[in-house]
Amino acid sequence: DGGITQSPKYLFRKEGQNVTLSCEQNLNHDAMYWYRQDPGQGLRLIYYSQIVNDFQKGDIAEGYSVSREKKESFPLTVTSAQKNPTAFYLCASSIKGRSHYDGGYTFGSGTRLTVV
Amino acid sequence: QKEVEQDPGPLSVPEGAIVSLNCTYSNSAFQYFMWYRQYSRKGPELLMYTYSSGNKEDGRFTAQVDKSSKYISLFIRDSQPSDSATYLCAMSGPSGTYKYIFGTGTRLKVLA
Repeated sequence: DGGITQSPKYLFRKEGQNVTLSCEQNLNHDAMYWYRQDPGQGLRLIYYSQIVNDFQKGDIAEGYSVSREKKESFPLTVTSAQKNPTAFYLCASSIKGRSHYDGGYTFGSGTRLTVV
Repeated sequence: QKEVEQDPGPLSVPEGAIVSLNCTYSNSAFQYFMWYRQYSRKGPELLMYTYSSGNKEDGRFTAQVDKSSKYISLFIRDSQPSDSATYLCAMSGPSGTYKYIFGTGTRLKVLA
């Protein structure tokens, strides 16, 4: 079955620690995205990538970093510079990401990150 | 003012009721309108999309766009307890823009 796999499902981070969230897709989609979801705020775009080895900042990129070394993979690192990282993180992909609509996003099941 | 406004609910209805979910938006350049359904602790899944104004029907679901009023709606007929979820509207445009703007989501509870 084609889809997006996010891991882990739950992640706990200590103060001052960097953590990496995994996102893998086997849909052969070019574009991949990371969103953060907080209660009452909807989905906010962190980073996106339209092609391997290229990515752009979204609306709330501070304190986060990404890489896109393979088409299938788009890991997100939450660094210690992110002061309020507790949230639900969603990875998504779309076919091309270059037109205003290309079939919509396919989302993963999310990773819930909690600071302890 | 947010680009997309959506009442967070929760909205509780009895089984079999017709549900109306709505979003308003401020950017007249939006051309593609989508509805996603998100179950608790899961990622959103695309339910319907509509281009420009008009209606689109898919089974028990109808999506409606009124660009003149900058208002979109999702109607669910014969609602079921399995429809209980959060419904997010999303929009994109103009041409060449990759980005979707999401509403905050409306939590729906269908009571058996």
